[in-house]
Parts: sequence; structure tokens; C-alpha cells
Amino acid sequence: QVQIVQSGAEVKKPGASVKVSCKPSGYSFTAFALHWVRQAPGQGLEWLGRIHVGRGETQYSQKFRGRLTISRDTSASIATLALSSLRSEDTAVYYCARDASPHCDTTPCSVAESWGLDVWGQGTTVTISS
Amino acid sequence: SDDLIQPPTVSVSPGQTAKITCSGDTLPRQFVHWYQQKPGQAPVLVMYKDTERPSGIPERFSGFNSGTTVTLAISGVRAEDETDYYCHSSDSGGDYVLFGGGTKLTVL
Repeated sequence: QVQIVQSGAEVKKPGASVKVSCKPSGYSFTAFALHWVRQAPGQGLEWLGRIHVGRGETQYSQKFRGRLTISRDTSASIATLALSSLRSEDTAVYYCARDASPHCDTTPCSVAESWGLDVWGQGTTVTISS
Repeated sequence: SDDLIQPPTVSVSPGQTAKITCSGDTLPRQFVHWYQQKPGQAPVLVMYKDTERPSGIPERFSGFNSGTTVTLAISGVRAEDETDYYCHSSDSGGDYVLFGGGTKLTVL
């Protein structure tokens, strides 16, 4: 079945960096874009960025530009989020989610061409604490 | 403004129809998608491209687009529908994802 499995929980000190990975399965890894979304305790959903897996192109929320990197390894079918200069406000559950659009394989597709996020990972809790 | 505005709470009696709105200046030009999120779980896509229902989502869920406001309607509301709902769209340039602030649906 189609699923996304994410890496385990992380505890980091302020100023450190964190990497969270996700491994989709059950479909062709390069056929769909992947998004990263986070949710702070008791708060709503916040979009961090997206990777067009087939082309390797990324789009980032302006809020995180400069300290966020999203990448993918097509040989291992893994996508990775890297966030640096961590602060307490980065404490959240981080989700990797597949974009349902079937048109983001090797052809260019914008964020606006999304068909919604139809498969989500289980979430990775990242805690920033001194 | 590119913000997506949702009412913080919506209350409805069992069996009635709940209507959750998502408003924004970009919505006449950008699609809206909806998620249901239960406590401690990842969100679930319940509507995409304004009015399309993913497979496995009950027909009780429907979507409507009226320009700057898109509505998720849940007919025959059940106790199990009581949870948080989020809308998702794009900015005016189509470069960034926007989420609404979320609506907590309460079944009275």
C-alpha cells in the first residue's frame, strides 16, 4: 500500500541543526511532489516547502528561506528536510506529505497545481530545548 | 492579502449540515483543498480542487466555490466528525502553499 515512513523523534539544543527524512513506498518515488508541513503544539498547520521529486526543484516558504533545505535521493527513494539555527519556536511535529497531482513527474508543475496532500507520514516530533 | 480565513469554531447538532468556510482574495484563481485532523493524527485529505472528493471519503462531504469563499459542507453530521478542519490553497503567484488557521467543528 502507499505509505510514507518518517525518521524518529529528535531533541536538539538552540542553534543546532536537524535532519528529518521520509521514505515513501508503494508508488514510483519520482512521480509525485513531496511537501513538508509542521504543527507546533496546539497550533495549526504551517507549510515549510516542497520538492518536485522528478526534477529536484524546490520551493520554500519565505519564512524559512536561508535555514531550510529540502533534498531527495532518488536511488534510495528518500526525501530529507534540514533546518538550521534552531530555536524554541521550531518545536513541532514535522510531516512529509505527497501531493496528489499526477502531473508533477518530470514535467514542471507549480505549487498552485496541487491536488491536495493525499498521503502523509506519521510525523516526526522535533523538540528544541536547552 | 494572501491570507486564508476560517472561522475558529463551528457548532452543529447531530444530523444537521455543517458548513466550514475558507475565505481569501486569491480563491477565485486558486483551488482549495480540505483536511480533517483528529487529535494526535496526521491530517486526512477530504476534498481537493474545491469540489472533488477523494476515494474513501463519504458522500456526506461536499465542496462549494463561490468566488472568494470556498465551503466544506458535511451533511448528516455525526459525533465522529467533531475535530479540526484546515483549508489549503496557494498565494496569488502560485508559488507558496497557504493554510487556513483551522476550524474546530463541535457536534452539540
